[in-house]
Amino acid sequence: QVLLVQSGGDVKEPGASVKVSCKTSGYTFTTYSISWVRQAPGQGLEWMGWISTYNGNTNYAQNLQGRVTMTTETSSNTVYMELGSLTSDDTAVYYCARVRTGGVDYWGQGTLVTVSS
Amino acid sequence: QSVLTQPPSASGTPGQRVSISCSGSNSNIGVNTVNWYRQVPGTAPKLLIYNTNQRPSGVPDRFSGSKSGTSASLAISGLQSEDEADYYCAAWDDRLNGLLFAGGTKLTVL
Repeated sequence: QVLLVQSGGDVKEPGASVKVSCKTSGYTFTTYSISWVRQAPGQGLEWMGWISTYNGNTNYAQNLQGRVTMTTETSSNTVYMELGSLTSDDTAVYYCARVRTGGVDYWGQGTLVTVSS
Repeated sequence: QSVLTQPPSASGTPGQRVSISCSGSNSNIGVNTVNWYRQVPGTAPKLLIYNTNQRPSGVPDRFSGSKSGTSASLAISGLQSEDEADYYCAAWDDRLNGLLFAGGTKLTVL
């Protein structure tokens, strides 16, 4: 079955960077792009961008341009999301999700990133 | 402005039919399909409806989706206690060139 398994939670100081991984299985990796979505505590879902696992093309949300980088590693069917210059506003659960027409279908379990001094 | 709007809350009694609306614009719902997601707090969202009115395998036919113009709707018939969750609509926005989520609706089964 389709599975997206993310790395564990992390605590970072303001100004630092965090890198979250998303290992996929159960389907052909390069067939579907991967999106990242985050959810701040008690808040709704915010789309961060997507990356093509076929050619590495990316499309980032405007408000995160310059701070977010998404990469792929085809040899391990893994996608990475790195977010820099962290502030307390970046404290959230980060999800990877497989892209299908019009949205996303399968989701990872989520990774809690806490930004605190 | 590219925004999707849902009511923050909805409720119903067991067996009732409830509807959750999702209002958008000509750059998102008006020209693209709508997805609906169900999220139990503390867990990852799950796809409930895709392509506006299609159900993934395993989703009961009590759940249905529709769209008219720039608004979409999720209907749940035969409401059950386990339907208590947060529900989100989403659609691609051509102006933002990104995926838009609405703020979510908390469904309570009384």
